[in-house]
Amino acid sequence: LAKTTQPISMDSYEGQEVNITCSHNNIATNDYITWYQQFPSQGPRFIIQGYKTKVTNEVASLFIPADRKSSTLSLPRVSLSDTAVYYCLVGSYSGAGSYQLTFGKGTKLSVIP
Amino acid sequence: NAGVTQTPKFQVLKTGQSMTLQCAQDMNHEYMSWYRQDPGMGLRLIHYSVGAGITDQGEVPNGYNVSRSTTEDFPLRLLSAAPSQTSVYFCASSYFAQGKSYEQYFGPGTRLTVT
Repeated sequence: LAKTTQPISMDSYEGQEVNITCSHNNIATNDYITWYQQFPSQGPRFIIQGYKTKVTNEVASLFIPADRKSSTLSLPRVSLSDTAVYYCLVGSYSGAGSYQLTFGKGTKLSVIP
Repeated sequence: NAGVTQTPKFQVLKTGQSMTLQCAQDMNHEYMSWYRQDPGMGLRLIHYSVGAGITDQGEVPNGYNVSRSTTEDFPLRLLSAAPSQTSVYFCASSYFAQGKSYEQYFGPGTRLTVT
């Protein structure tokens, strides 16, 4: 299973762009990169997923370099409601017992007024 | 669609008691999983299932059993509760196909305290 490394915490002011980088040096060929957001006392919620290059949706962008050994979640113009823990997951349902998607410790983002 | 539902929301057990945490989804997802989340920590996978009749262990399976008799339901059974099992338990489901990774939908969680 690919292991991920993220910063434990980050602070940002409202209105700024926030970039959270995740390192996944042993990512496998079939693995996808997925980011989840979790608010206190709630289950995680899907934000974005990608395989390579750049993916953008209505809430975030995901940048993946050519070697895929890292990825960066970009949140444009954060607000107080973006204060949460953000998890980077790497994996896929690849067979040979690899039907597990493992969460790391996540990055606690605090948005300051 | 109700999505992923979990019952109960809260539970207090005494050491040695057993109980079953219920999880159901109405999205016809093949893949279902159980995670536990200890205070201030990330989620750890307990058991998962890739379809009815198929289950397998995750990262922390000891002390827990699962079964998957239908696509919709994936109950988690605590065999003999211990204080170390005090945690928040999340159930999740997703579509499944080999070589792919799909968005997981999470339930609201069950907060379990073992005294």
